Amino acid sequence: ETVMTQSPATLSVSPGERVTLSCRASQSISTNLAWYHQKPGQAPRLLIYGVSIRATGIPARFSGSGSGTEFTLTISSLQSEDFAVYYCQQYNNWPLTFGGGTKVEIK
Amino acid sequence: EVQLLESGGPLTQPGGSLRLSCAASGFTFSAHAMDWVRQAPRKGLEWVATIGASGITTHYADSVKGRFTISRDNSKNILYLQMNGLKTEDTAVYYCAKDVGPGIPGDWGQGTLVTVSS
Repeated sequence: ETVMTQSPATLSVSPGERVTLSCRASQSISTNLAWYHQKPGQAPRLLIYGVSIRATGIPARFSGSGSGTEFTLTISSLQSEDFAVYYCQQYNNWPLTFGGGTKVEIK
Repeated sequence: EVQLLESGGPLTQPGGSLRLSCAASGFTFSAHAMDWVRQAPRKGLEWVATIGASGITTHYADSVKGRFTISRDNSKNILYLQMNGLKTEDTAVYYCAKDVGPGIPGDWGQGTLVTVSS
């Protein structure tokens, strides 16, 4: 099983700031990585797949990078609607696995 | 617009069974693999199972293998999750999701809460 580790667990940020979230895979997953965010009481929403491809309707302030085992999600200027929990997920092999999440909260 | 509506909770005892359903609309159901993903209270996301578009191929998390069965009815646009031998640790919100690529749950339902308790 590929273990996904996210850091930090919590990030306190002010609106307008640049945010960088990290995700590490326990083995190489090539570029088979997706990012989601989840707001309280809501279902997760796909943000990015293939490391850097934004899903339909996702604004350009979200970008992803990385390959192999190290990945990053960057939000260039955090908006109020971006405060949420962010999850990475690998789909390189079965079982599909998610990271434990990074909570982005208001500073 | 893609719509996924889960149903089938909410409460059962340990050792019991439940069948979840997910009614799909707004897309060609028979063309997409589908997933079940769950989230225990105040916890992260856990993938449960995936079924291929035709229903022939299935994959399961080790935590549910042998107890849960994913299936689909492409004539009715419904995804199912038959859950047997339920344990308290199966308590979670269960989401169905439509794949937008292999292994990528792209569109999600709102989830249905399953509680396993004595």
